[in-house]
Amino acid sequence: NAGVTQTPKFQVLKTGQSMTLQCAQDMNHEYMSWYRQDPGMGLRLIHYSVGAGITDQGEVPNGYNVSRSTTEDFPLRLLSAAPSQTSVYFCASSYYIGSGSSYNSPLHFGNGTRLTVT
Amino acid sequence: AQSVAQPEDQVKVAEGNPLTVKCTYSVSGNPYLFWYVQYPNRGLQFLLKYITGDNLVKGSYGFEAEFNKSQTSFHLKKPSALVSDSALYFCAVRDRARWNRDDKIIFGKGTRLHILP
Repeated sequence: NAGVTQTPKFQVLKTGQSMTLQCAQDMNHEYMSWYRQDPGMGLRLIHYSVGAGITDQGEVPNGYNVSRSTTEDFPLRLLSAAPSQTSVYFCASSYYIGSGSSYNSPLHFGNGTRLTVT
Repeated sequence: AQSVAQPEDQVKVAEGNPLTVKCTYSVSGNPYLFWYVQYPNRGLQFLLKYITGDNLVKGSYGFEAEFNKSQTSFHLKKPSALVSDSALYFCAVRDRARWNRDDKIIFGKGTRLHILP
């Protein structure tokens, strides 16, 4: 049971480049989400998904796209990287309250991807 | 929309003394509240969660949290601090709207806890 796996661990991009941050979980969690962590800003929600085929915007969605074609995977795409997207990105998953399978289920986090855009 | 506030950027406590890390929240429905800890260069680890009806919740590593509905607070506490408790602590609130699929989990800005030997 690997939990939540994020790749890559580190990435350097030039302004305007695109890339995809990968996230996979093996706990059969319906709910998956992406956060960015910046000094003094805490964790801010980018996008989330309550199940395959369903995605929604979080607090800071601009500049990012997501898709959820399977329960296990939730990739985050940067279409045209900007220096303002330099951050540490965390993927997290949990059971979904609406599913009835678990009540008040906590998030399980990956170890993060440190992204630098120059 | 829900919100969560951690009013202190950092807290310093001497080892062996009790510690408190403050958190206040705002939600439209029932509060689903959590505390997480982050050690350097790691992801967040779950510490404890609010359970409806329990004003004092116990969690991992000897931590507990006190829920106060009238003050909309969920403060993290530990009776006797250890140097190894030094880390970044986050409070989070989940606001689940039962009439639609909106299900955001929002985090505070974090409080850095320094336990002094």
